[in-house]
Amino acid sequence: GDSVTQMEGPVTLSEEACLTINCTYTATGYPSLFWYVQYPGEGLQLLLKATKADDKGSNKGFEATYRKETTSFHLEKGSVQVSDSAVYFCALLNAGGTSYGKLTFGQGTILTVHP
Amino acid sequence: EAGVTQFPSHSVIEKGQTVTLRCDPISGHDNLYWYRRVMGKEIKFLLHFVKESKQDESGMPNNRFLAERTGGTYSTLKVQPAELEDSGVYFCASSPFRTGSDGYTFGSGTRLTVV
Repeated sequence: GDSVTQMEGPVTLSEEACLTINCTYTATGYPSLFWYVQYPGEGLQLLLKATKADDKGSNKGFEATYRKETTSFHLEKGSVQVSDSAVYFCALLNAGGTSYGKLTFGQGTILTVHP
Repeated sequence: EAGVTQFPSHSVIEKGQTVTLRCDPISGHDNLYWYRRVMGKEIKFLLHFVKESKQDESGMPNNRFLAERTGGTYSTLKVQPAELEDSGVYFCASSPFRTGSDGYTFGSGTRLTVV
């Protein structure tokens, strides 16, 4: 079945540091890929998405590129802020087969950014 | 537009008791999903409604869990009787489209603690 593997956390950075959270996936067909974020006390929010190979999703300074050859969708940001502290989830949506319409999530990565 | 609303936001119950979680999706969204995150692990799919019909309930852990969506509007998820391992955060999401290629809108979740 489909699966998503994220780098283990927690990740602790100083403000303005570079961030990379690794995400790799296993899926049949051509899934869409997502990064969701959960800020403290809030629900899951869609951060960015990519629907086909080589697409780059971007939002709020975060970027991720859909790499089919390496089955990866790593999240990057060049300069993090304290307000980026949250839990980040990589996810895939496989519109085909038995996974139709279901999101498959990674285990989440806690990011803490210090001033 | 109002978002996906879940309540209660927190619930603490004793083992063996019954708890009912409620989700109000975005108006007009035919697709409603329940997910669960247990003890810092990945978020897992529970079930999917299309209007009032259960499209996929393959993620429901056992028959102690009962989900309904009468009239195709709000949904309830009942746990009876609750066990310790049911503790976690229960998320609801809705989407106007079945494939959800634009991502789903999630609620803030209900944190359930069974003691």
